[in-house]
This record gives sequence, structure tokens and C-alpha cells, in this order.
Amino acid sequence: DVKVTQSSRYLVKRTGEKVFLECVQDMDHENMFWYRQDPGLGLRLIYFSYDVKMKEKGDIPEGYSVSREKKERFSLILESASTNQTSMYLCASSSGTLGEKLFFGSGTQLSVL
Amino acid sequence: AQRVTQPEKLLSVFKGAPVELKCNYSYSGSPELFWYVQYSRQRLQLLLRHISRESIKGFTADLNKGETSFHLKKPFAQEEDSAMYYCALRVYNQGGKLIFGQGTELSVKP
Repeated sequence: DVKVTQSSRYLVKRTGEKVFLECVQDMDHENMFWYRQDPGLGLRLIYFSYDVKMKEKGDIPEGYSVSREKKERFSLILESASTNQTSMYLCASSSGTLGEKLFFGSGTQLSVL
Repeated sequence: AQRVTQPEKLLSVFKGAPVELKCNYSYSGSPELFWYVQYSRQRLQLLLRHISRESIKGFTADLNKGETSFHLKKPFAQEEDSAMYYCALRVYNQGGKLIFGQGTELSVKP
């Protein structure tokens, strides 16, 4: 079974802090994604990556950056956390050119105070 | 612009009743659509995809290009179907990313 592991289940940070959310997958997937999940808004794509050291902006990249130095790891960085970034963050991975099926992590609930 | 709309935030039905979760999409190309489900305290997971034309846990979904819809249906709801359901559209001209709808919470009462 594919395992997508997010390092923290809950995280509480202060406004202005730099925040790192880590995601690791163990199935040698080429594609990795970061979404945020908000009630009433569904899932919105922040960034994605189709290969090591490459990244593409999603629909809401402002205030975020990403890093993919190794194939199995995709990090989401909040350069200066703000209260409107309080959300559930979901990492996902998939294989193949278009990625038939997304495998999701269990999520990180981030609260920015 | 490509978009996925799920008009119902919450759908509440009794056990044994038919269920239809609505999904409408806007896309200029040939659509590829999916339903994902998130049960309580579990990860989001794929339920079904339209190209497979399969039935999973009694759910089916038919792509209607004329009405730009991909509604999820089940003839007899079970309590274990209670979950959050998301419709998703693959956007080919943007690297094949998935765009998700707002989600519909299905509550099946005993």
C-alpha cells in the first residue's frame, strides 16, 4: 500500500513565523502535490511537482513556496505565516505522466495565532 | 475557465433511501472526472473515475457531456456511506492537475 506521510498532524504557530510542512512518500512516485482544505471551499492546489527540483504553481501559491530536493520528499514552506493560512494541509502523490490516482496523506492541521 | 461545482454543502438522507450527489463542471476540453471520498478520521481516497465505468460500494457516476454533469448515485444509502465527497476534474492543459469541487457532506441517518 502506498504510504504518504506528513510529519505533523497538528501544528500551532505564531504570525510571522517561518513554517515547514514535510511530506514523504514511499512508492517512488514522480508527482507530488500540496493542497489546502477549507470548509465550503474544498481542496485548492497550492503547488505541485513532477520531478525532483521542479515545481509548478497551483491555484493559490501566494505566501507559499516548496522544495523537492529528493524524489520522495516534498516540503511546503510558509515564509511568514499569517492567520489566513490557518487550514488543513494535504499532501498527495501519484505516478505516471498524468497521475491516474492521487494518494493522500492524513493531513496537517495548521493554526496560526 | 475550468471549474467544478458541487451545489450542496450537506445532504441528509435516511438509510435505504436513494442518494444523488451533484457535480457540474466547466471545461473546454474532453473532461476526465473523478469522485474522491473522505470518511471520518480517514484519508481522502479515490472512489471512482468515469473512464473506468465501474461501481464501487454500490456507487455509480455517469458523465453527461450535454449537461456537463457527473452526479454520484447510489440506490440504497447505508450508514457507512456517511462521509465527505469531492468531485474532481483533470485539467490536461495544465499538466494534468486535478481541480476539486467544494465538497458535499453526506449524512445517512438510521
